[in-house]
Amino acid sequence: DTAVSQTPKYLVTQMGNDKSIKCEQNLGHDTMYWYKQDSKKFLKIMFSYNNKELIINETVPNRFSPKSPDKAHLNLHINSLELGDSAVYFCASSPTGTSGRENEQFFGPGTRLTVL
Amino acid sequence: GNSVTQMEGPVTLSEEAFLTINCTYTATGYPSLFWYVQYPGEGLQLLLKATKADDKGSNKGFEATYRKETTSFHLEKGSVQVSDSAVYFCALRRTGFQKLVFGTGTRLLVSP
Repeated sequence: DTAVSQTPKYLVTQMGNDKSIKCEQNLGHDTMYWYKQDSKKFLKIMFSYNNKELIINETVPNRFSPKSPDKAHLNLHINSLELGDSAVYFCASSPTGTSGRENEQFFGPGTRLTVL
Repeated sequence: GNSVTQMEGPVTLSEEAFLTINCTYTATGYPSLFWYVQYPGEGLQLLLKATKADDKGSNKGFEATYRKETTSFHLEKGSVQVSDSAVYFCALRRTGFQKLVFGTGTRLLVSP
């Protein structure tokens, strides 16, 4: 059973297109995240949602729009794709609370986006 | 601001060698500290964590101690294996905040 899953695993597209990446977690977590990992492996948070509400919105172009239809899903839509958007995008989730487990983020396998 | 600095890689070792990957941090307050590991082609996995000063996190033979006086959380393993080859990320999370701040990652290559 996959805890955090992402689709697609690979995405190759042309500049200017619009694309979406989907993420689902079956861990019952309240909080979900999107991270971008560039070619040098540098990992940076983009967004975070808690119970379908946006709680973290880093300095990301507004071509990127996250959507959380329910607390188990956090999708990432990207408009007008640019060459610099090529990266690996990771979804993650974590519980909230005071048990100590809220510190742990569980990552999906990543989606490698290539913009030509 | 909050930041994490890791030693640049790659770190290249022979099997059974001793491993140290340095990590220092800058943060306000008292953050929780983490090491994540990314195996080739996979997402990140939590390796170990420490939530307060002098705590030692350990897992799979890896250890790291939260040193407040030196603001460090160095990762160590006494005897590495080829299967430990991966990218290792140090990260911090401020208390009360959800966001993880990652270091740049250190690639470890272990040869037989």
